[in-house]
Amino acid sequence: QSVLTQPPSVSGAPGQRVTISCTGSGADIGAGFDVHWYQQLPGRVPKVLIYNNNNRPSGVPDRFSGSRSGTSASLAISGLQPEDEGDYYCHSYDATLHGMFGGGTKLTVL
Amino acid sequence: QVQLVQSGTEVRKPGASVKVSCKTSGYTFSDYTIHWVRQASGQGLEWMGWIHTGNGNAVYSQKFQGRVTLTRDTSTSTTYMQLSSLTSEDTAIYLCAREAVNGFGSGVVWLDPWGQGTLVTISS
Repeated sequence: QSVLTQPPSVSGAPGQRVTISCTGSGADIGAGFDVHWYQQLPGRVPKVLIYNNNNRPSGVPDRFSGSRSGTSASLAISGLQPEDEGDYYCHSYDATLHGMFGGGTKLTVL
Repeated sequence: QVQLVQSGTEVRKPGASVKVSCKTSGYTFSDYTIHWVRQASGQGLEWMGWIHTGNGNAVYSQKFQGRVTLTRDTSTSTTYMQLSSLTSEDTAIYLCAREAVNGFGSGVVWLDPWGQGTLVTISS
């Protein structure tokens, strides 16, 4: 089954911009399957941050943005705030309709 | 509002089985697919499978194929996840989550909302 690869950790100072990558393969992201991003704050369940590559649910600040290109996707967070600290996961599917998550990226706000 | 409420903490011995429930409300149960995801302590999210609540068809991760069974009870709007032949590596929080939209076929869309999670501990 496909696996999505994320960096284990990223960090940035308040106000800075960080990006988190999510690398798949031609069987999932590269096959055109949409990528979704979730934020998981400590002790909480995941919350959708970006859906269908670059769409924000209502209530998610426009500091969060997503993109997809080829076999990869990215989540960008601008204007970092201390409350952004947590874990971020990408999510997609493959042609057999199996779901998959990236390994998760821990964001530290310095 | 849409809610997914899971059953409580479970403790099992190695080799046993566990069945976790996810009771939904606030929408038409059979219109939305439910996924199950687990998360071991300090680890990432692991997709286990999904069940189409309308026809009962299920798709499972190859990792859990043969050990996991997803079922649903339309009369109570509840989905169940049963995992058998448990080992210590199955100790985790198990989460159900609903596909956010319907009409696109199962296994393509994002998950929202999520249940609160059920801790399953495997210990001899």
